[in-house]
Amino acid sequence: DAKTTQPPSMDCAEGRAANLPCNHSTISGNEYVYWYRQIHSQGPQYIIHGLKNNETNEMASLIITEDRKSSTLILPHATLRDTAVYYCIVRVYNQGGKLIFGQGTELSVKP
Amino acid sequence: DVKVTQSSRYLVKRTGEKVFLECVQDMDHENMFWYRQDPGLGLRLIYFSYDVKMKEKGDIPEGYSVSREKKERFSLILESASTNQTSMYLCASSPSGTAISYNEQFFGPGTRLTVL
Repeated sequence: DAKTTQPPSMDCAEGRAANLPCNHSTISGNEYVYWYRQIHSQGPQYIIHGLKNNETNEMASLIITEDRKSSTLILPHATLRDTAVYYCIVRVYNQGGKLIFGQGTELSVKP
Repeated sequence: DVKVTQSSRYLVKRTGEKVFLECVQDMDHENMFWYRQDPGLGLRLIYFSYDVKMKEKGDIPEGYSVSREKKERFSLILESASTNQTSMYLCASSPSGTAISYNEQFFGPGTRLTVL
């Protein structure tokens, strides 16, 4: 799996967009980008994934750069309940087994 | 909704005890996983199973064993608990059939185990 780099922490004002960056400069052509988050005292929760096109679902949007070396998870209107650690994971298309969670970004949404 | 449940949220055991952590999922998923999570170390995979009675070692299997007698249940066993096994234990499951689905893992709430 390609290595990912994320800032350790970020703050965001409630109601504003939270933009969480992730660098994955060694990503290969068949690797997808996945985002999970973990709210305090809960198990991780899948958010979204993508290959090269931008993706959107009810939780978030994922923007992947054209060279695929980095991506940004966007929470369009952050709420206090979005305070969590956000993990960016890169995975080979046909690989099963474990997810490798790095240190993630601790997002604090403040009123 | 997919539900992954773990037998206890908090558990306190003594050194040397045999400890059983149970995980049950109700979505007929083929794959199940046990991770532990420690501050500064992130999630680390202990064992996983892709079918009944099948198991594979993860990154840190030492001191642990697992059992998968039924598809919905995956048990983690600490044969002789030690203080360095104090941790948050997370169970997860995922469906099979497509490679993408391997990567959409559904996690339980976790069991915080303290070994004294």
